[in-house]
Amino acid sequence: AQKITQTQPGMFVQEKEAVTLDCTYDTSDPSYGLFWYKQPSSGEMIFLIYQGSYDQQNATEGRYSLNFQKARKSANLVISASQLGDSAMYFCAMREGRGDDKIIFGKGTRLHILP
Amino acid sequence: NAGVTQTPKFRILKIGQSMTLQCAQDMNHNYMYWYRQDPGMGLKLIYYSVGAGITDKGEVPNGYNVSRSTTEDFPLRLELAAPSQTSVYFCASSWAVRAGANVLTFGAGSRLTVL
Repeated sequence: AQKITQTQPGMFVQEKEAVTLDCTYDTSDPSYGLFWYKQPSSGEMIFLIYQGSYDQQNATEGRYSLNFQKARKSANLVISASQLGDSAMYFCAMREGRGDDKIIFGKGTRLHILP
Repeated sequence: NAGVTQTPKFRILKIGQSMTLQCAQDMNHNYMYWYRQDPGMGLKLIYYSVGAGITDKGEVPNGYNVSRSTTEDFPLRLELAAPSQTSVYFCASSWAVRAGANVLTFGAGSRLTVL
């Protein structure tokens, strides 16, 4: 069963608009962590933001914020004021459990920012 | 600091050949991971290690072996290469920004083609 689901294979957004990239996850462990990574066309992987399952507030890092809805098991990435340089693949990932250091990824969403 | 260094960057193998992808990190990270990324897809975890002498299987371990004799090095061996192993391989190591937040630092990737 897929543990990380990203339902949007591709998105087109106008520059300067806000973007929401969807991510749902599946775990029965009460302790887990959620990550978002960016992969530009050059291929490198860049860490964007982290949310722990016990965190009381949604994580924010500059223009990135994570809309964490625990009951719905969703961890959507919000990019405010999108820029042309935001065009890339975006991956949601999860570390499941305190004693388990596996980090697994979703299939990704390709974001295109239009000028 | 060099970060995570992978060699080689590109390699073409014939079916049935074997090879080792090298991965080294100089950040004194305990955790190391190997992923593969098929074209247009997300990352699949092959093997991971939580410290020297300890390795565990990930989502797609068949056809691969790893060892972790030192903190710095985490080589991935492909035995009897098959066309299905054509992929881009990423090595990563992780540090914890805080408990549970294992942020991955990735290498640049190794592109392997099996013909």
